[in-house]
Amino acid sequence: LAKTTQPISMDSYEGQEVNITCSHNNIATNDYITWYQQFPSQGPRFIIQGYKTKVTNEVASLFIPADRKSSTLSLPRVSLSDTAVYYCLVGSRGRGSTLGRLYFGRGTQLTVWP
Amino acid sequence: NAGVTQTPKFQVLKTGQSMTLQCAQDMNHNSMYWYRQDPGMGLRLIYYSASEGTTDKGEVPNGYNVSRLNKREFSLRLESAAPSQTSVYFCASSASTSGHTDTQYFGPGTRLTVL
Repeated sequence: LAKTTQPISMDSYEGQEVNITCSHNNIATNDYITWYQQFPSQGPRFIIQGYKTKVTNEVASLFIPADRKSSTLSLPRVSLSDTAVYYCLVGSRGRGSTLGRLYFGRGTQLTVWP
Repeated sequence: NAGVTQTPKFQVLKTGQSMTLQCAQDMNHNSMYWYRQDPGMGLRLIYYSASEGTTDKGEVPNGYNVSRLNKREFSLRLESAAPSQTSVYFCASSASTSGHTDTQYFGPGTRLTVL
């Protein structure tokens, strides 16, 4: 199973770039990496997904090296509202009757200070 | 669109009592999930359903049963609640028909305390 490891917490200041790394040493060929954000008393919500190299959307970038054993979520110019828990998810596409694998990391609490 | 809804929002049970957590989605999604979230443990998958009538065990299924009543609804039942089942429970859905690569949409959660 592609278990994931993330830092428990990180601190940053407003306007800085934040990089959160997730390790997934046993990732398999058909596994994708997805990041979710969770605010207190809410369910997680999707941020970004990738398979390899770099993916960018309007809120974040995701960097995945060639060996895919880790991934880095990059949040540019964070604000106070980015204070949240960030989860790395490794999930695979099933084949036939196999439903695939799914594993959430334990989450990284990001605190942004003024 | 309400997205994913869960009832109840809060519940307190005594050890040995039973209850059913309800989940419904209005996005015409195929896959539905039940997770539990405990401090320091992240989200752990309890059960998963790829379509109506099919369910599959996740990482922590013991003590739980599920029913995929139709495409919209996926319920989680605790037959005999134990203090170890005190947790926040999240339901999620995705468009996926196979596997776990599609975006999951989460409900607001149910906070359950078992005394």
